[in-house]
Amino acid sequence: GAVVSQHPSWVICKSGTSVKIECRSLDFQATTMFWYRQFPKQSLMLMATSNEGSKATYEQGVEKDKFLINHASLTLSTLTVTSAHPEDSSFYICSVRQNSYEQYFGPGTRLTVT
Amino acid sequence: AQSVSQHNHHVILSEAASLELGCNYSYGGTVNLFWYVQYPGQHLQLLLKYFSGDPLVKGIKGFEAEFIKSKFSFNLRKPSVQWSDTAEYFCAVRGANTDKLIFGTGTRLQVFP
Repeated sequence: GAVVSQHPSWVICKSGTSVKIECRSLDFQATTMFWYRQFPKQSLMLMATSNEGSKATYEQGVEKDKFLINHASLTLSTLTVTSAHPEDSSFYICSVRQNSYEQYFGPGTRLTVT
Repeated sequence: AQSVSQHNHHVILSEAASLELGCNYSYGGTVNLFWYVQYPGQHLQLLLKYFSGDPLVKGIKGFEAEFIKSKFSFNLRKPSVQWSDTAEYFCAVRGANTDKLIFGTGTRLQVFP
């Protein structure tokens, strides 16, 4: 399956600042990537679908102006959390869709906003 | 509403014990079903999947799951667990014609030697 990396693996930032998280598909050209958010002891929630060369599709309730997604190439998608607040602290996970059926997940990025 | 329920939040077993983790889903229409595993410090990995055909599917590392359509269930089983099976297990469902995976809350499995 596809190998997916995320950077950074963890980040601490101050309230009001912006943070960028990278998701890379290391061995596969991905036209579609997904961004999930996971709160402690809760399930992964899909935030948005990132499509190379076009705008991301956001799930209901996810603020697109707060969570900016850019999928500028077939191997890189970025998620920028703008004007972060403590309630944005969470575990953010990306995945790559390799075919019609399977997604391969990155290791996740833990964001802590102080 | 579309949802996935995993009723076992934390399971503790001794090595060689049998395992069954429950998964029930609510979804209208044809579904694809998945079990993912997350070992400590690692990313989510696919254990097994069901799309169609034989409702009993076999995955990696001796795991299997049975799709029972009438019960909207897709329980995960392993006849004899090992210490290395200690991990978080997630059930997920997806509509057959969509990309969106809906995850359960996960079950934390601890296996003691």
